[in-house]
Amino acid sequence: GAGVSQSPSNKVTEKGKDVELRCDPISGHTALYWYRQSLGQGLEFLIYFQGNSAPDKSGLPSDRFSAERTGGSVSTLTIQRTQQEDSAVYLCASSFPDRGREQFFGPGTRLTVL
Amino acid sequence: QKEVEQNSGPLSVPEGAIASLNCTYSDRGSQSFFWYRQYSGKSPELIMFIYSNGDKEDGRFTAQLNKASQYVSLLIRDSQPSDSATYLCAVNGDYKLSFGAGTTVTVRA
Repeated sequence: GAGVSQSPSNKVTEKGKDVELRCDPISGHTALYWYRQSLGQGLEFLIYFQGNSAPDKSGLPSDRFSAERTGGSVSTLTIQRTQQEDSAVYLCASSFPDRGREQFFGPGTRLTVL
Repeated sequence: QKEVEQNSGPLSVPEGAIASLNCTYSDRGSQSFFWYRQYSGKSPELIMFIYSNGDKEDGRFTAQLNKASQYVSLLIRDSQPSDSATYLCAVNGDYKLSFGAGTTVTVRA
């Protein structure tokens, strides 16, 4: 079946603009995760969804970051008033709902803030 | 102390040799352990997962877990040039994954 898809694959924006990143998980995966990978920082967790609820938002770096999920499927990560330090690859992963299950990653969105 | 630590690279091995990658973790409550392979410019690809103490083999890959020592490793046998990549150790104690910094492996022909 199809894997996790993300769009856009690349996004270049100007400092201060808002951006929306989209993730479409593997069919049947009710758990969805957002991570961020930047040079020198490794891969860091941002937020976790189970269905449409987000039990863990602990990794969101500031209140400029928000995410939602609708219909238990597609998720959108929104970054308001982007800053240069937001430049990174944003990765989405999905899994079955059980604790500790394997997570499969999408291709990522490379965000560049000028 | 970082939650997940991997042996520093880069690691260079000749084609056909065994590549050995190590990872330690700090949270004793961790339940599941993963190895991801990441090619340059690509997203992480799951290659192995292990939940119980001992060894788990899948083709040329063997994962080893020792929960008492909080240690997990990955062996790549008969290394091929296509194995050249960064390998990420990931640990899951709840729902989110905690990643190590990665070890870059280069297999030289």
